[in-house]
Amino acid sequence: ETGVTQTPRHLVMGMTNKKSLKCEQHLGHNAMYWYKQSAKKPLELMFVYSLEERVENNSVPSRFSPECPNSSHLFLHLHTLQPEDSALYLCASSQRAGPQETQYFGPGTRLLVL
Amino acid sequence: GESVGLHLPTLSVQEGDNSIINCAYSNSASDYFIWYKQESGKGPQFIIDIRSNMDKRQGQRVTVLLNKTVKHLSLQIAATQPGDSAVYFCAEKGGETSYDKVIFGPGTSLSVIP
Repeated sequence: ETGVTQTPRHLVMGMTNKKSLKCEQHLGHNAMYWYKQSAKKPLELMFVYSLEERVENNSVPSRFSPECPNSSHLFLHLHTLQPEDSALYLCASSQRAGPQETQYFGPGTRLLVL
Repeated sequence: GESVGLHLPTLSVQEGDNSIINCAYSNSASDYFIWYKQESGKGPQFIIDIRSNMDKRQGQRVTVLLNKTVKHLSLQIAATQPGDSAVYFCAEKGGETSYDKVIFGPGTSLSVIP
């Protein structure tokens, strides 16, 4: 596989469920990101990992828990979500080598919370 | 309270015509700009980028123009095709460290009329 892959592509879960989203990048990048994309809103940055360490957390509720076991994999653990958390969750990766940095996105996981 | 939903700007063009998508960016210190294309059901895809020391950059059928005086960015698509129908996002990145985050605009929806 090439680029950034995400699984599952679609997920429906109840508010009491626990699920995890997975992202894998095949680009040799050293940074990975989670974004939330809701209807009628710009992309919202949730988490940033650089060299497997979290460097940014944009005040995301604790019901979202990221995990980055290595530079190629990123997880988003979901627990006790709310219906307003329904959105497209996008993973991205980049090579953090300076100011000129392009993020490459996966196809996203479409999440519906009932 | 609830935030007011954004109305995504839309642009409709006839197949074969040129398209111009505009973006106003917010940070005068931003020194790197990217255009992304997002087709329905997919993640954003990199199209073209430009650094602040340039005012124009051309790719295949696309041109990005940067006007730092008025903090304006535009994407020109030549001979627009049905496959160009998508939402287009501009993104800006500023500062002098590689940890400055990328800020995405709300997007413009382009519809190509066959």
